[in-house]
Amino acid sequence: DSGVTQTPKHLITATGQRVTLRCSPRSGDLSVYWYQQSLDQGLQFLIQYYNGEERAKGNILERFSAQQFPDLHSELNLSSLELGDSALYFCASSAKGAGADTQYFGPGTRLTVL
Amino acid sequence: AQSVTQPDIHITVSEGASLELRCNYSYGATPYLFWYVQSPGQGLQLLLKYFSGDTLVQGIKGFEAEFKRSQSSFNLRKPSVHWSDAAEYFCAVGSNDYKLSFGAGTTVTVRA
Repeated sequence: DSGVTQTPKHLITATGQRVTLRCSPRSGDLSVYWYQQSLDQGLQFLIQYYNGEERAKGNILERFSAQQFPDLHSELNLSSLELGDSALYFCASSAKGAGADTQYFGPGTRLTVL
Repeated sequence: AQSVTQPDIHITVSEGASLELRCNYSYGATPYLFWYVQSPGQGLQLLLKYFSGDTLVQGIKGFEAEFKRSQSSFNLRKPSVHWSDAAEYFCAVGSNDYKLSFGAGTTVTVRA
């Protein structure tokens, strides 16, 4: 158990809908990262937050957005969902958000878009 | 930009045999290198990491990896594989722009 929690574990929804994925980092960690894992793209970095502020952005679509709240939990919002958004979404956390930090991964949320 | 190549998509190994998983990275400066393992239906668990210093790194579950700057490689090894080592293994490179770049992964099958 990494100490990172993600809810829900599974999510099934329809095209065009909007969903919110939630992540709670390990106790004491200030940085949260979101990744998408799909069969065709592999593991892709989406976005990073550090202590409430966006720090780095990867291959995140404009239809996706995220935020980190004062209690340090984070939410990833996916809107206007398409079939291709079906994937496993991971949250990770690290202590300081530096490049050398170890990132600890949550169990993931499996999103299925029908 | 950094990138990682894992040349082997799938490896089958007998229980008790040795295992070596290859990883090549591309990064201009000294990289931060990681190996993660993902069991079916699970998240990623860190096996080991290299930042600096001794190029042979010991990790959990009996794994080790060697950083070779001249070959831009960070191969993962285990002397004797157990059936519970069947999983997908990911090499990743981190940098000062905070994100991790992952390889495509190597699936390890352990036969009895």
